[in-house]
Amino acid sequence: EVQLVDSGGGLVQPGGSLRLSCAASGFTFSVYWMSWVRQAPGKGLEWVANIKQDGSAKYYVDSVKGRFTISRDNAENSMYLQMNSLRAEDTALYYCARDSGTRAFDVWGQGTMVTVSS
Amino acid sequence: DIQMTQSPSSVSASVGDRVTITCRATQVIRSWVAWYQQKPGKAPKLLINTASRLQSGVPSRFSGSGSGTDFTLTISSLQPEDFATYYCQQADSFPSTFGQGTKLEIK
Repeated sequence: EVQLVDSGGGLVQPGGSLRLSCAASGFTFSVYWMSWVRQAPGKGLEWVANIKQDGSAKYYVDSVKGRFTISRDNAENSMYLQMNSLRAEDTALYYCARDSGTRAFDVWGQGTMVTVSS
Repeated sequence: DIQMTQSPSSVSASVGDRVTITCRATQVIRSWVAWYQQKPGKAPKLLINTASRLQSGVPSRFSGSGSGTDFTLTISSLQPEDFATYYCQQADSFPSTFGQGTKLEIK
């Protein structure tokens, strides 16, 4: 079964850090672009970052640039999001997602909740 | 950034109705437009890619069309399981952006 499993979320104080993980199974992870997409409580979807198949290219939405770092380990079929200097506005459910090759996300994790609050 | 504005923001309809949701981009984009369905507490599900291509396994009552700045998702005959929130997404211009969502409710 094609599957993504997100983990690593939690409650963190403003200015703190968290590292999210996404474990892939059931497909050849190394041939796909991968993304993180977030959804603030009761709000819509926001693309956060993506990473090329071999990790050689990484892109970020402006609001997280310089604070978040996306990475992947193809040997472990995993992707990560290191989040530093967290702000209240980063509070959201974070999904990892697979780029289908048509720039659309065809496989999603179940989401991991990040809450930034003192 | 390209903004995607969906209309309506919410719609009430009955089983068997035909429903159309529109997404308008703030500038002309190519057909890198996708549509998703999201049910409460669940991850989004891809319905349509490249504006009009039905994702594998998605019922044929869903269809997408459009070009330029205007794109539409049509559900030809609503089924009970279709009541959800729908999002459009453009991936033609960086950064990829989503519409604000359209909540489809039972009348």
